[in-house]
Amino acid sequence: DAGVIQSPRHEVTEMGQEVTLRCKPISGHNSLFWYRQTMMRGLELLIYFNNNVPIDDSGMPEDRFSAKMPNASFSTLKIQPSEPRDSAVYFCASSLDGSVPQYFGPGTRLTVT
Amino acid sequence: AQTVTQSQPEMSVQEAETVTLSCTYDTSESNYYLFWYKQPPSRQMILVIRQEAYKQQNATENRFSVNFQKAAKSFSLKISDSQLGDTAMYFCAFMRAGTASKLTFGTGTRLQVTL
Repeated sequence: DAGVIQSPRHEVTEMGQEVTLRCKPISGHNSLFWYRQTMMRGLELLIYFNNNVPIDDSGMPEDRFSAKMPNASFSTLKIQPSEPRDSAVYFCASSLDGSVPQYFGPGTRLTVT
Repeated sequence: AQTVTQSQPEMSVQEAETVTLSCTYDTSESNYYLFWYKQPPSRQMILVIRQEAYKQQNATENRFSVNFQKAAKSFSLKISDSQLGDTAMYFCAFMRAGTASKLTFGTGTRLQVTL
């Protein structure tokens, strides 16, 4: 069975550009989580959805970040405009109805120059 | 709010030996889960083991086992017969029981397995 799929795996962009990260959760899972990993802050939750509805977006750094889940099999995390401090690895994870465990995708390494 | 503390930034163990990674947490919740995730150089987050707080029995998964001390809020990971492939970052994580709860991670312990 396919796990959580993220694209792209690597993204290099210039400051000020729009960046869109994509995630396909495991089929049948209805909870989806976006995490960010940096050296300074470690792993932190940005936002999570249950049944396509955002439940908690308190971890979203600022208005430059937005996330959507238009259907059960797809979610996007958008940064506009991007800044060098957004450079990090962004993980998507999914679970069945909020149950344990959460399964992680391979992550997207974002570099903003 | 919950906090997870891993006080060992780095550890080293020889192949075939046993190593224990420490984790403490703080919460006012009574029902929760604890996890250890492994992150090898590929950066994939891999679930190693999980523990339900209501279970007194310590979880085991092959060479991996935990020592869960609920009163002390301690959750250590023991790796027996260490293998080179165990080299990775190990993260302890907390999750409140309930629908769609988030994971709160510790800062990680970098484990190096040597020959």
